[in-house]
Amino acid sequence: DSGVTQTPKHLITATGQRVTLRCSPRSGDLSVYWYQQSLDQGLQFLIQYYNGEERAKGNILERFSAQQFPDLHSELNLSSLELGDSALYFCASSPGLAGSTGELFFGEGSRLTVL
Amino acid sequence: AQRVTQPEKLLSVFKGAPVELKCNYSYSGSPELFWYVQYSRQRLQLLLRHISRESIKGFTADLNKGETSFHLKKPFAQEEDSAMYYCALLSSGGSYIPTFGRGTSLIVHP
Repeated sequence: DSGVTQTPKHLITATGQRVTLRCSPRSGDLSVYWYQQSLDQGLQFLIQYYNGEERAKGNILERFSAQQFPDLHSELNLSSLELGDSALYFCASSPGLAGSTGELFFGEGSRLTVL
Repeated sequence: AQRVTQPEKLLSVFKGAPVELKCNYSYSGSPELFWYVQYSRQRLQLLLRHISRESIKGFTADLNKGETSFHLKKPFAQEEDSAMYYCALLSSGGSYIPTFGRGTSLIVHP
């Protein structure tokens, strides 16, 4: 499958802990986007990387950080976790900047539960 | 700031009935709008974009700048249309970050 892959699919952890979510974009895609979907919320944009560089930032908490590596995979690090961080975290990719076609290709998401 | 509003969390219709999923937006520039769909156990995927003026799976959406709306319509709903639908707005001006609405769950009953 050459689509966007996210690991882990499910993760349960405790408050105060730190987790790392991983995303591999589609082959050839340079842009990676991270979105958070909490209960009853739409997809909230967190951060975008393009070819290894941070391109845009949304409502990402200071406790959260991300990076994109030379092989273009990306990791989202969530630290000092709180109950409210429980959500579905989506990664998406696009060949260039989304403005070229507007289409993002999504992964299946990583469901984080903080107890 | 740009915003996308989908006023209905849930829309329930019977097979063969017309369906309209509402989307309103606020954006100061010239918008590019999209509908994404997520079928059960599948990934979120692009359904259609306003700039293409296309009909996909019988769905159409017209951008109404006067009413700042981009409603998704289908004259005769099918059971396989049951899914979660998200309206999205693409900002211009360098960032090109899609802003999504909260989504509307469409259930088509047999």
